[in-house]
Amino acid sequence: GAVVSQHPSWVICKSGTSVKIECRSLDFQATTMFWYRQFPKQSLMLMATSNEGSKATYEQGVEKDKFLINHASLTLSTLTVTSAHPEDSSFYICSARDLGARSYNEQFFGPGTRLTVL
Amino acid sequence: AQKITQTQPGMFVQEKEAVTLDCTYDTSDQSYGLFWYKQPSSGEMIFLIYQGSYDEQNATEGRYSLNFQKARKSANLVISASQLGDSAMYFCAISKSNDYKLSFGAGTTVTVRA
Repeated sequence: GAVVSQHPSWVICKSGTSVKIECRSLDFQATTMFWYRQFPKQSLMLMATSNEGSKATYEQGVEKDKFLINHASLTLSTLTVTSAHPEDSSFYICSARDLGARSYNEQFFGPGTRLTVL
Repeated sequence: AQKITQTQPGMFVQEKEAVTLDCTYDTSDQSYGLFWYKQPSSGEMIFLIYQGSYDEQNATEGRYSLNFQKARKSANLVISASQLGDSAMYFCAISKSNDYKLSFGAGTTVTVRA
């Protein structure tokens, strides 16, 4: 199957700093990428839909100014957690849909990024 | 709005036995897809199986099969011949057919005993 990478795999930062997480589709083009957030032992919650060349669509309750999403190319989406606080500590996972996908289920997940804010 | 309910927080299964993970869903859409993912302790999401709302036959993928009962709005996952490597968190998810956004259930932790 197709490969999606995330960088970094884990990051520790001080409260008040900003952190950028990259999501890349390595061997396919993705017009749409999704960002999810997962707290320990809990489910994945969709934060936003990232569309190449246009503004991201955020789910209800997700702060747009807090979680900046940029989808500058067909293979890269970035999530920036601005002015991070301890409550932003979480596991962030992206997924990407293959532009050329014919099958409904062709959506691939990255390995996730574990963010810890001190 | 779409909602997935997984009522089993955790399950234990003996190696080589089968286990059924429950999943019920609620949606007003006529066309939708149901997914099962496995998440081991490493955190990666591994796609297991997919069932479209219009698929008449239950989906199967190797040791995984999906018991789809549309009228009851359930999509239970059956893992046959459990292996130690099957120990993980399992998520059921649903998506509309036109936007591909996934709504996940709370998950079920499966522990396979030797």
